[in-house]
Amino acid sequence: DTAVSQTPKYLVTQMGNDKSIKCEQNLGHDTMYWYKQDSKKFLKIMFSYNNKELIINETVPNRFSPKSPDKAHLNLHINSLELGDSAVYFCASSDRGRTETQYFGPGTRLLVL
Amino acid sequence: AQSVTQLGSHVSVSEGALVLLRCNYSSSVPPYLFWYVQYPNQGLQLLLKYTSAATLVKGINGFEAEFKKSETSFHLTKPSAHMSDAAEYFCAVSDIFNTDKLIFGTGTRLQVFP
Repeated sequence: DTAVSQTPKYLVTQMGNDKSIKCEQNLGHDTMYWYKQDSKKFLKIMFSYNNKELIINETVPNRFSPKSPDKAHLNLHINSLELGDSAVYFCASSDRGRTETQYFGPGTRLLVL
Repeated sequence: AQSVTQLGSHVSVSEGALVLLRCNYSSSVPPYLFWYVQYPNQGLQLLLKYTSAATLVKGINGFEAEFKKSETSFHLTKPSAHMSDAAEYFCAVSDIFNTDKLIFGTGTRLQVFP
């Protein structure tokens, strides 16, 4: 029944490790997003995909690599994790267009030690 | 470039009191504006949006917002606060150059006291 789901919900890992976060939406949307929310709650878009094609790539380090196997899934792989990567990562989806509502997943809380 | 500014990172009200959360926008063209709410440890949920139809927009949970072009504002209000309204509220504007991009404000945390 969940519209946008993410796994895992929590991720605690050591610096230098590689980790992945998965996202799935069952809303039939063709656009998906990754956002990063920092400790001050500031929310910034990282990537967006439309029908498996990368549309937005916002000055994100190359260590972050999104992958969209199909339009219902958008995964985020992070290489060589750094302390500054600690944040909450949200996946979202929507139909395409400036007035469309974005639907957010519950978030993945990443803590890098 | 477009942006939104939320005045007041924290707002505290008593239960039953008026809620007013402020958002001002900057845009060279008529903007599309959104208010999202984030409850503790959850994702964001749309409260309401302005898409150039009626200037007074009604949303969920008794919230509404009025688009005022002369004041470049889109403030969020609710006549009577409820304890369950305690959350983080984000104003956002849709990017004119990229239809998929939302630009968020820094958020306002609403506390409701009994």
